[in-house]
Amino acid sequence: AQSVTQLGSHVSVSEGALVLLRCNYSSSVPPYLFWYVQYPNQGLQLLLKYTTGATLVKGINGFEAEFKKSETSFHLTKPSAHMSDAAEYFCAVSEYSSASKIIFGSGTRLSIRP
Amino acid sequence: NAGVTQTPKFRVLKTGQSMTLLCAQDMNHEYMYWYRQDPGMGLRLIHYSVGEGTTAKGEVPDGYNVSRLKKQNFLLGLESAAPSQTSVYFCASRSTGTGRSGELFFGEGSRLTVL
Repeated sequence: AQSVTQLGSHVSVSEGALVLLRCNYSSSVPPYLFWYVQYPNQGLQLLLKYTTGATLVKGINGFEAEFKKSETSFHLTKPSAHMSDAAEYFCAVSEYSSASKIIFGSGTRLSIRP
Repeated sequence: NAGVTQTPKFRVLKTGQSMTLLCAQDMNHEYMYWYRQDPGMGLRLIHYSVGEGTTAKGEVPDGYNVSRLKKQNFLLGLESAAPSQTSVYFCASRSTGTGRSGELFFGEGSRLTVL
């Protein structure tokens, strides 16, 4: 079965600093990987996804993630944090089954210091 | 374009009471899901449906029932609410046309408190 581990339940960075949110996955088949973002009191929305092809994936709001098969990782980065990036971020893997379930990590809360 | 709509958005129940959460989507998606979100535990799948008239258990199905009588609606029921079911519930839908690469579309959540 596939699984996702997010390292660090809370990350705090200064405005303008690099954002790095870590995600490692476990999968016996080629994974489809996602990052979702949840702003306070809202549902989740897709930030970016990796399916096949280019391993560096660009998403909305300046975020990107790199799929590294050798490290089973899909870390999320942004060169310069903005106050509006404060939110909770979830890494997810699409399960290889007919139901195409998506399995989520436990989430990382990102705080931005002025 | 409403997307995925959940009702009610807030509800307080007493232990033992029953209630139903309604999820409606207007995107003609085949797949629909119910998740619960608890602090530090991410989203856990309760039940899901791959089409009208079908349902299946997810990771944490105990204490919940679901029905998918119409393609656009997915109902989550609690027959006898317990304090452990205090949580935020999210409904999501997904198109089968995109296969495993398809994204989930989420509702805004329903916050349930069981006293």
